[in-house]
Amino acid sequence: GEDVEQSLFLSVREGDSSVINCTYTDSSSTYLYWYKQEPGAGLQLLTYIFSNMDMKQDQRLTVLLNKKDKHLSLRIADTQTGDSAIYFCAESITGTASKLTFGTGTRLQVTL
Amino acid sequence: GAVVSQHPSWVICKSGTSVKIECRSLDFQATTMFWYRQFPKQSLMLMATSNEGSKATYEQGVEKDKFLINHASLTLSTLTVTSAHPEDSSFYICSAPETTGRETQYFGPGTRLLVL
Repeated sequence: GEDVEQSLFLSVREGDSSVINCTYTDSSSTYLYWYKQEPGAGLQLLTYIFSNMDMKQDQRLTVLLNKKDKHLSLRIADTQTGDSAIYFCAESITGTASKLTFGTGTRLQVTL
Repeated sequence: GAVVSQHPSWVICKSGTSVKIECRSLDFQATTMFWYRQFPKQSLMLMATSNEGSKATYEQGVEKDKFLINHASLTLSTLTVTSAHPEDSSFYICSAPETTGRETQYFGPGTRLLVL
């Protein structure tokens, strides 16, 4: 079955870069996503990457995918206090029309 | 961008009552919607896939008679928690994929259910 793992907690100083890691087991994953969840709120899609890509950059966000090791990472440059939230990676096999399997979530704490 | 709304955002009910949660896609049509459940400090777990005009598909271990799903129109799916008990207290989130090729799934803001 599908299994998506993340480290539980990450603390960084404002202005530093944050790197959130995710590992997955389903080699048939086609799309991999990063979502942000602020306290008591729904999920906001940050970015996604197709499995045939190694990297995707979108402003302060950089996604790296190592398909061989089934490892996905999200780098946030110049981390701000507003970036404090829980970050979920998710994977699906056939894209957004199919169900998402979410990781365990990483709580990012940004300190001054 | 596309928006998905949920109503209510908060509900407190007595044990044994039924609670209906609505999920609406506000500016796009959604033939499919997904219902997730999230326990405190945990990840989202898919409960079921709601299909417009047909029966919902439930994930293993989810009681379909307990969690009734009705996808009555292309913009509305409802989840009814029947005979709710304290262990049903959770954060329920719906989502709907946008079908215009943007590979985006929009999530509702969630409904927090507390069963006393």
